[in-house]
Amino acid sequence: AQKITQTQPGMFVQEKEAVTLDCTYDTSDPSYGLFWYKQPSSGEMIFLIYQGSYDQQNATEGRYSLNFQKARKSANLVISASQLGDSAMYFCAMREGVPGGGNKLTFGTGTQLKVEL
Amino acid sequence: DTGVSQDPRHKITKRGQNVTFRCDPISEHNRLYWYRQTLGQGPEFLTYFQNEAQLEKSRLLSDRFSAERPKGSFSTLEIQRTEQGDSAMYLCASRSKSVNPQETQYFGPGTRLLVL
Repeated sequence: AQKITQTQPGMFVQEKEAVTLDCTYDTSDPSYGLFWYKQPSSGEMIFLIYQGSYDQQNATEGRYSLNFQKARKSANLVISASQLGDSAMYFCAMREGVPGGGNKLTFGTGTQLKVEL
Repeated sequence: DTGVSQDPRHKITKRGQNVTFRCDPISEHNRLYWYRQTLGQGPEFLTYFQNEAQLEKSRLLSDRFSAERPKGSFSTLEIQRTEQGDSAMYLCASRSKSVNPQETQYFGPGTRLLVL
């Protein structure tokens, strides 16, 4: 079974509108972390936001927020007030286990976001 | 620039040749990771170092692949007898020794490999 599922290969959004990128995950570990990264065409992975499995509140970082629904095992990224520079590939990733060990990341297949005028 | 750096950024080679990539992590980051990303996919974990010790290797890392981090600073990833299926982006990431769960991995710009 896929550990991270991103069902939207591509999304379009109008500039200044909000957009939600979906991510569902699968783990039996009670301790895990969920990350969202942005990958522009240049290739570098840019960290956006983090949500821990024990966090009571949804994470927010500027225009990014994470809609974390633990029972449904979903961690959707919401980008508000989209900008042209937000056009990129977006990846959801999961770290299983408590922090302090190897903590490798498992990534989804990504969603290509295109912001239009 | 104090981020993760990788060299070269691009590499074109012929099938059967050996290639070596270098990664310089953020200074004082004791953890270093290698990932491989093929077209249309997310990065896949290859291997992990804590200081100079290679603590985890993915089954994706065939015996043609070898990674080292001899002094616990920079790391090299070598692919011997390259195959066309090795064509991918090779990403390096580093992370500090912090146990803060919010501490993320910081990625380098990657090395794009094309095997002809």
